[in-house]
Amino acid sequence: QVQLVQSGAEVKKPGASVKVSCKASGYIFSSYAMHWVRQAPGQRLEWMGWIHAGDGNAKYSQNFQGRVTITRDTSASTAYMELSSLRSEDTAVYYCAREPFLEWLLDSWGQGTLVTVSS
Amino acid sequence: QSALTQPRSVSGSPGQSVTISCSGTSNDVGAYASVSWYRQHPGEAPKLIIYAVNKRPSGVPDRFSGSKSGNAASLTISGLQAEDEADYYCCSYTGAYTLVFGGGTKVTVL
Repeated sequence: QVQLVQSGAEVKKPGASVKVSCKASGYIFSSYAMHWVRQAPGQRLEWMGWIHAGDGNAKYSQNFQGRVTITRDTSASTAYMELSSLRSEDTAVYYCAREPFLEWLLDSWGQGTLVTVSS
Repeated sequence: QSALTQPRSVSGSPGQSVTISCSGTSNDVGAYASVSWYRQHPGEAPKLIIYAVNKRPSGVPDRFSGSKSGNAASLTISGLQAEDEADYYCCSYTGAYTLVFGGGTKVTVL
């Protein structure tokens, strides 16, 4: 069965960067896209961007342009999301989610990774 | 990109039907048949319940249905059950390979 397993919780200081991983199994990694979505405490889901696992092309939300980088390692079936210049408002649970390429639906989700930004 | 507009909360008694609206623009909901809905229980990851406006993934009961008219989409839950108490989010393709979520709706089963 499809599984997306994310890395563990992180605590970072303002101005630092964080890199969250998402290891996929149970399907052909390079045939799908991987999206990243975050959710601040008590807040709505916020779409951050996605990467085509096959060719590595990525697209980002304008809200994060310049601060977020999504990459993948096909040999490890793993996607990564790096967010830089962290501020307290970036405290959130970060999810990866699989998309059948260009169908614009997120059919499997990781368990989420809590990133806390605090001085 | 602004979030799609959803009511903050809706409620209903067991067995009743509730409908959640999702209002967008002619650049997102109105332009594409790529509206999806997700259910999220507290402390859990979201789960896909409707895609392509009105299609249900395997395993999702037919109590859940979706529709779209103009720039607005909606999710109807028929035969409300206790397990349906959760947050619900709509999501739309916005063109240029981007997505946008709604603000979320809390469904309370009375």
